[in-house]
Amino acid sequence: KAGVTQTPRYLIKTRGQQVTLSCSPISGHRSVSWYQQTPGQGLQFLFEYFSETQRNKGNFPGRFSGRQFSNSRSEMNVSTLELGDSALYLCASRTRGTAGELFFGEGSRLTVL
Amino acid sequence: QKEVEQNSGPLSVPEGAIASLNCTYSDRGSQSFFWYRQYSGKSPELIMSIYSNGDKEDGRFTAQLNKASQYVSLLIRDSQPSDSATYLCAVTPGGGNKLTFGTGTQLKVEL
Repeated sequence: KAGVTQTPRYLIKTRGQQVTLSCSPISGHRSVSWYQQTPGQGLQFLFEYFSETQRNKGNFPGRFSGRQFSNSRSEMNVSTLELGDSALYLCASRTRGTAGELFFGEGSRLTVL
Repeated sequence: QKEVEQNSGPLSVPEGAIASLNCTYSDRGSQSFFWYRQYSGKSPELIMSIYSNGDKEDGRFTAQLNKASQYVSLLIRDSQPSDSATYLCAVTPGGGNKLTFGTGTQLKVEL
């Protein structure tokens, strides 16, 4: 069974640009969550989607947005990038009813210059 | 107060010893508790889940939960160098599915 796939794995952007990250969950998983990981703050929850609906949202500014498609694939977008957005962005999927049993992708490493 | 707190470490233990990792949480209504392991440069992977007070054993790993004290721990018996990683405690708060992580404890198992 294929795991969670995230693309791109690495990317470099400059301040003010926008970025879109993609996540394909494990087959059969309809829930996708996004996390930001930085050395200082650890793993911080961005949002969760289930069946194309945002179910939960973390404390991030509106520049961070996401969506989920009918095939459960998800994208997150960050607009007007800031230096502080440099981080590892992790996507995780799960089956319904297993709120904490997440399967993580390898992440997208974003560097903002 | 952080929702989930862990000592950042590093916690150093000799090979073969028991490693004890601790975590406290602030939401008394929290319902589900998890331990994830993250190797350097890799993504987190789930190693234990515990939902009720007491101990849960899985191989060399034992998770312990004390809801009255809002405390969850992970014991690793017969620690191996391959156990060297950051261990993340995670909690689902009462009434929600959002998984909140602690900042992790770095474990180093020395030969």
